[in-house]
Amino acid sequence: AQSVTQPDIHITVSEGASLELRCNYSYGATPYLFWYVQSPGQGLQLLLKYFSGDTLVQGIKGFEAEFKRSQSSFNLRKPSVHWSDAAEYFCAVETPYNAGNNRKLIWGLGTSLAVNP
Amino acid sequence: NAGVTQTPKFQVLKTGQSMTLQCAQDMNHNSMYWYRQDPGMGLRLIYYSASEGTTDKGEVPNGYNVSRLNKREFSLRLESAAPSQTSVYFCASRVTGGTDEQFFGPGTRLTVL
Repeated sequence: AQSVTQPDIHITVSEGASLELRCNYSYGATPYLFWYVQSPGQGLQLLLKYFSGDTLVQGIKGFEAEFKRSQSSFNLRKPSVHWSDAAEYFCAVETPYNAGNNRKLIWGLGTSLAVNP
Repeated sequence: NAGVTQTPKFQVLKTGQSMTLQCAQDMNHNSMYWYRQDPGMGLRLIYYSASEGTTDKGEVPNGYNVSRLNKREFSLRLESAAPSQTSVYFCASRVTGGTDEQFFGPGTRLTVL
């Protein structure tokens, strides 16, 4: 069965420091991979997505993520964190379209990011 | 272009009361979803509708019903609310097929006393 693990429940970084949020998935083939961000009291917004091709994906707000097939990982990174990046971050995976009609997102439990001034 | 809208934003119910959460999207998306979000549980799929006229159960459908009223609207009904249904509810939509992502509404915060 597909699953998504975000090992870090909560992370605190200082403003200006680099950030890496981890995401590991369990699936037999390469799924479609997503990172979403949820600011307090808000809905979820897509940061970036990976389907195929270049394993380093650029997203909005200066975020990037790298797909590593050998490690079944899709870690999110940002070189310099801003106070406005404090939010909840969710990794999600989905089977590709040609795997059939059962296409639903499998969500990780999220990582809460706090940013110290 | 409002995206995905949800009403109400907040609601307090007493145990046993019923209510309907409304969701609408103006992006001409085929698929729509209802999730609940609880602390430490992430997002859990309640029901989804792959296209107008179809609905399917997700992970946690018990105690809920849905209606895909038309292509734009997908409502979630609690027939007899229970305290365990206290949660934040999110509606989402997407284009079916291809490399598409889900677009989320702002959520409804529901408290059942």
